[in-house]
Amino acid sequence: KNEVEQSPQNLTAQEGEFITINCSYSVGISALHWLQQHPGGGIVSLFMLSSGKKKHGRLIATINIQEKHSSLHITASHPRDSAVYICAVTNFGNEKLTFGTGTRLTIIP
Amino acid sequence: DTGVSQNPRHKITKRGQNVTFRCDPISEHNRLYWYRQTLGQGPEFLTYFQNEAQLEKSRLLSDRFSAERPKGSFSTLEIQRTEQGDSAMYLCASSLEGGRNSPLHFGNGTRLTVT
Repeated sequence: KNEVEQSPQNLTAQEGEFITINCSYSVGISALHWLQQHPGGGIVSLFMLSSGKKKHGRLIATINIQEKHSSLHITASHPRDSAVYICAVTNFGNEKLTFGTGTRLTIIP
Repeated sequence: DTGVSQNPRHKITKRGQNVTFRCDPISEHNRLYWYRQTLGQGPEFLTYFQNEAQLEKSRLLSDRFSAERPKGSFSTLEIQRTEQGDSAMYLCASSLEGGRNSPLHFGNGTRLTVT
């Protein structure tokens, strides 16, 4: 079973700060997902990546396959970025996602 | 297309009652997944379908739980004889196909409260 760990569990920052959320996993994967969950439950897929780096607007996701580690970065953070960010992985030959417990991000104006 | 739709958004029921939730995936998506999320935890896998076939079922899914996707389009998740421990957010997701090239699209979930 793949163990997915995120850090930090909670993060509070001032508007404009550069944010980094980390994710590590224990077993080789076919893909890693970064998801955003707002109060009320809806989940939005931010990135799916299996190598390298992806960028979308102010969000950047990187993955190091050898180190079994991924980071999600937010540049010029804004209060609307406040949400729970969840890392999830898909294992080879297995379609289901294994989720981390999430990082609760609060951006203060 | 309006994305993945789940109904109802909220359900409050008394212990022992049966409940049924519905998920309408994105129309061309052939993969459909059910997850359960309790407060402060990440979602946990329950089951998934490839078209109408249920391909995997978690041990979390006791005999009181059953899921169907009769025509390969919408899916239902039924919980019989609900217990307080069933209280959670039930999330549905769909994708075009499995594997590394198919991002998941989630619905807004159905929040179940068993009193």
